[in-house]
Amino acid sequence: GENVEQHPSTLSVQEGDSAVIKCTYSDSASNYFPWYKQELGKRPQLIIDIRSNVGEKKDQRIAVTLNKTAKHFSLHITETQPEDSAVYFCAASTEGGSQGNLIFGKGTKLSVKP
Amino acid sequence: SAVISQKPSRDICQRGTSLTIQCQVDSQVTMMFWYRQQPGQSLTLIATANQGSEATYESGFVIDKFPISRPNLTFSTLTVSNMSPEDSSIYLCSVELRESYEQYFGPGTRLTVT
Repeated sequence: GENVEQHPSTLSVQEGDSAVIKCTYSDSASNYFPWYKQELGKRPQLIIDIRSNVGEKKDQRIAVTLNKTAKHFSLHITETQPEDSAVYFCAASTEGGSQGNLIFGKGTKLSVKP
Repeated sequence: SAVISQKPSRDICQRGTSLTIQCQVDSQVTMMFWYRQQPGQSLTLIATANQGSEATYESGFVIDKFPISRPNLTFSTLTVSNMSPEDSSIYLCSVELRESYEQYFGPGTRLTVT
């Protein structure tokens, strides 16, 4: 089955710097890759997603890139702010979202220091 | 997105008892899921709640331990049966939107078994 590896497990940056989180997946049939942000004590929130027919997607300070050949995708946060501090999870779906069987990475704890 | 509620938000239960968690969404959705998130860890899919048929369980989860109901397109329940301290965790339901395949999470139920 699908396996998703996520790195790094922790990331500390200064406010205003960029942060990059990387994930790799094993199943070449995966074609849907969402990213979730989870603040302490709260539910995971979908922040951005990408499908395999697209190489990059951007939403304000957040961007996601996908390399299907290498089977990895990355989350880029620019101009980080203290409120970006949270745990970020990547996920992959082997069913393109129609069956919703998301496999999650282990998460990255991002700390943004003011 | 969708408005998802769960009840109860938290509970403390005794070993050997059972707890039923309810998940309600404000619109009809095809796919509903139940996840478990142990403290400081990632999300693990327990099962897909199928409307009108038996739930589909992931490896390591069985119906006798985690019976699931899905009587209609807006509601599902998860029961944690014969609980032990190892079942202490956060249980989250999620729904997949038909139009976008985006998956959204409920607020979670924090379960402590003593």
